[in-house]
Amino acid sequence: AQRVTQPEKLLSVFKGAPVELKCNYSYSGSPELFWYVQYSRQRLQLLLRHISRESIKGFTADLNKGETSFHLKKPFAQEEDSAMYYCALITSGSRLTFGEGTQLTVNP
Amino acid sequence: ETGVTQSPTHLIKTRGQQVTLRCSSQSGHNTVSWYQQALGQGPQFIFQYYREEENGRGNFPPRFSGLQFPNYSSELNVNALELDDSALYLCASSVNRAAGANVLTFGAGSRLTVL
Repeated sequence: AQRVTQPEKLLSVFKGAPVELKCNYSYSGSPELFWYVQYSRQRLQLLLRHISRESIKGFTADLNKGETSFHLKKPFAQEEDSAMYYCALITSGSRLTFGEGTQLTVNP
Repeated sequence: ETGVTQSPTHLIKTRGQQVTLRCSSQSGHNTVSWYQQALGQGPQFIFQYYREEENGRGNFPPRFSGLQFPNYSSELNVNALELDDSALYLCASSVNRAAGANVLTFGAGSRLTVL
């Protein structure tokens, strides 16, 4: 069965420091992975998807099939990055399996 | 272009009652998915509707049911409410594509409290 694990519920860093939000998955098929973000009082929104290989708001994520990971990274965290981050795995069609989320706090 | 809208935003019910939540999909989207997000948890897939039919279901009992209408809007119905049904219910719309993953656009959610 598919599963997404985000080992850290809370992550706190200082502004300008690098940040890495961990995500591991288990899935027997060919995975397609996403990072969704929820800023305070806003709706859940797509941050990036691995097939796009893009950088959004300075964040990148690389799919490592050997380690079954899809960690989210940013070299210099900003205060506006404070939010809840969810890693998600898509299975059939548009069905997403989410991790439990990591609350990132960037301190001034 | 309008986004995904959900109603009501908040509601309180008692155990055993029934509830209907509504969702209007984003313009141009033909698929609607529903997720349940309990406090402190990630969203969990309930089911998906495409062409007015259920097109995939998560691990939820039959008392969770839904509908999709010709205009692609959708309803989530929950019968015989239990305390554990208290959660944020998220609707997400997308365009059904034959190949490749579909990007979901989420609504703000309906927060249900069961007393």
